[in-house]
Amino acid sequence: ETGVTQSPTHLIKTRGQQVTLRCSSQSGHNTVSWYQQALGQGPQFIFQYYREEENGRGNFPPRFSGLQFPNYSSELNVNALELDDSALYLCASSFISGSGTGELFFGEGSRLTVL
Amino acid sequence: QQQVKQSPQSLIVQKGGISIINCAYENTAFDYFPWYQQFPGKGPALLIAIRPDVSEKKEGRFTISFNKSAKQFSLHIMDSQPGDSATYFCAASMNYGGATNKLIFGTGTLLAVQP
Repeated sequence: ETGVTQSPTHLIKTRGQQVTLRCSSQSGHNTVSWYQQALGQGPQFIFQYYREEENGRGNFPPRFSGLQFPNYSSELNVNALELDDSALYLCASSFISGSGTGELFFGEGSRLTVL
Repeated sequence: QQQVKQSPQSLIVQKGGISIINCAYENTAFDYFPWYQQFPGKGPALLIAIRPDVSEKKEGRFTISFNKSAKQFSLHIMDSQPGDSATYFCAASMNYGGATNKLIFGTGTLLAVQP
């Protein structure tokens, strides 16, 4: 186990709704990244948070937003859900130090189905 | 240029055989090449990783071969076991050691090791 926990594990929403996914980082980690993994595909980078600020973003629209809290937990929010948002959402934590970014540790993901 | 191309899509190997998965990239700025293993219902887990300053890295039964001039890298699993049956993803990132460790993933290889 990586120590990265995500909730909920599964959820079903309808098109147009909003969803919040949560992540608790591994102890000692100060950086969290979110990835979207569509069925049968590799994960795609959504964004990364460091010191409670977005620190890099992939090719995702603004309706994908996030937060990182002082305890390094994180939320991913998606507004105006579309059918194509159905995917496994993965949270990954790591530690940034003066020598750079360490290994990414992934959680088990939140499976979102949009109907 | 941001893509990482992975092949084959699926692979069947007999127990004790060698599994080989290949990846190719275009962006010469990539400086970190990890391989992830993912079991159904789980998040990806780092298996082994390599930097472009070496041509080969071995950890137990797993070996990465890296060809910088060809912009290709491969994963070799020696003495493949049924427990190795999983989906394998290659990935690449640039600015490893910087503030953002954004991984670009391949499309994955579903490995089945037959007993």
